[in-house]
Amino acid sequence: GAVVSQHPSWVICKSGTSVKIECRSLDFQATTMFWYRQFPKQSLMLMATSNEGSKATYEQGVEKDKFLINHASLTLSTLTVTSAHPEDSSFYICSARVGSGDTIYFGEGSWLTVV
Amino acid sequence: AQSVTQLDSQVPVFEEAPVELRCNYSSSVSVYLFWYVQYPNQGLQLLLKYLSGSTLVKGINGFEAEFNKSQTSFHLRKPSVHISDTAEYFCAVNLNAGGTSYGKLTFGQGTILTVHP
Repeated sequence: GAVVSQHPSWVICKSGTSVKIECRSLDFQATTMFWYRQFPKQSLMLMATSNEGSKATYEQGVEKDKFLINHASLTLSTLTVTSAHPEDSSFYICSARVGSGDTIYFGEGSWLTVV
Repeated sequence: AQSVTQLDSQVPVFEEAPVELRCNYSSSVSVYLFWYVQYPNQGLQLLLKYLSGSTLVKGINGFEAEFNKSQTSFHLRKPSVHISDTAEYFCAVNLNAGGTSYGKLTFGQGTILTVHP
């Protein structure tokens, strides 16, 4: 079964509203999680690194005020898309690193559609 | 900065035929290398990874890849494919820059493998 769970799998929201996506590690502690977005028929682009108990590190070009990341516990990171617009519609995928080792698990992804 | 190029966007092949999916990378420092598979509307599943040691890496589902440092390549191969191998395959690199950077992956554009009966 999945060791990293994302919720919701699908979400439709109205333009201007905010939506939160959760990423949970089910059987391990994840000090570090990562958020990616994938546009249709394109590759995955790293958005940010989520660090438990500290601020997220954003990649160049990613608006930190628009994509709020919170990693309040060792098993949960959340991505909140604020004031969503249709161009934010995408597939968002998280991954989690098992402790400080070299194992990474990906979540099943979350489809966001902004109408 | 590192980059990854997957040379083929689509690879059609018949069942039980061999297949090679090509991946080249560019980086000024050493890297870790990965291949992932993505089935429709799903997340990513790790096929194999190269961190160090033997340059020939064997993964799940009969896949293997060979790290070629001089050619900066990490091509994925399978000697005999099945219908169930139809999916999108992503090559990815991670800078070998210390523990805190592990997991920050740069992905290639993806290769859609379609296996025909």
